[in-house]
Amino acid sequence: DIQMTQSPSSLSASVGDRVTITCRASQTISDYLNWYQQKPGKAPKLLISAASSLLSGVPSRFSGSGSGTDFTLTISSLQLEDFATYYCQQSYSTPLTFGGGTKVEIK
Amino acid sequence: EVQLLESGGGLVQPGGSLRLSCAASGFTFSSYAMSWVRQAPGKGLEWVSAISGSAANTYYADSVKGRFTISRDNSKNTLYLQMNSLRADDTAVYYCAKGSAGVWGSYRYTDTDWGQGTLVTVSS
Repeated sequence: DIQMTQSPSSLSASVGDRVTITCRASQTISDYLNWYQQKPGKAPKLLISAASSLLSGVPSRFSGSGSGTDFTLTISSLQLEDFATYYCQQSYSTPLTFGGGTKVEIK
Repeated sequence: EVQLLESGGGLVQPGGSLRLSCAASGFTFSSYAMSWVRQAPGKGLEWVSAISGSAANTYYADSVKGRFTISRDNSKNTLYLQMNSLRADDTAVYYCAKGSAGVWGSYRYTDTDWGQGTLVTVSS
């Protein structure tokens, strides 16, 4: 199985900050990488597919990049509604596996 | 609008059984693979099981293989997860998720929509 490692596991940031979350795959996965956002007590929400394709309705302050084994989710200017936990997921091979999550907290 | 509504969670003793259901609406159910993903309290997401749109193929995480059975009734637009021999480490919120294609794990597959989850607690 492909292991997905996210870093950091948590971070504190202020509204307006630029935030970067990293996801590393244990083997190359091309750009078969999805990002999900989960708010407390809610279901995950798909934000980005294919490493960098923003889903319809997702604010443009979110962006994804990377290929191979290293990927990044960037929030260009953090807003109050962005405080949540973010998960990466590889869709290169089954079983599809998630990273451990990155919790973005208010500083 | 896609809607997924899980039910069937609750408190069960170790070794017991439970069947979860996920009622789907707002899309052609039989055209899409479906998955169950769980989240233990305070922990991350763990894929549990998946089934193709036609129900011809099923998939299981090693942690549940032999104990859980996924199925679907396309005439009722409903997904199921039969959970037997439950253990304390099966305690989690169980989400059903709609896939982006009929075949699970196919090209650029994503879990596009999720239900609100149902809590399963395994405890004596």
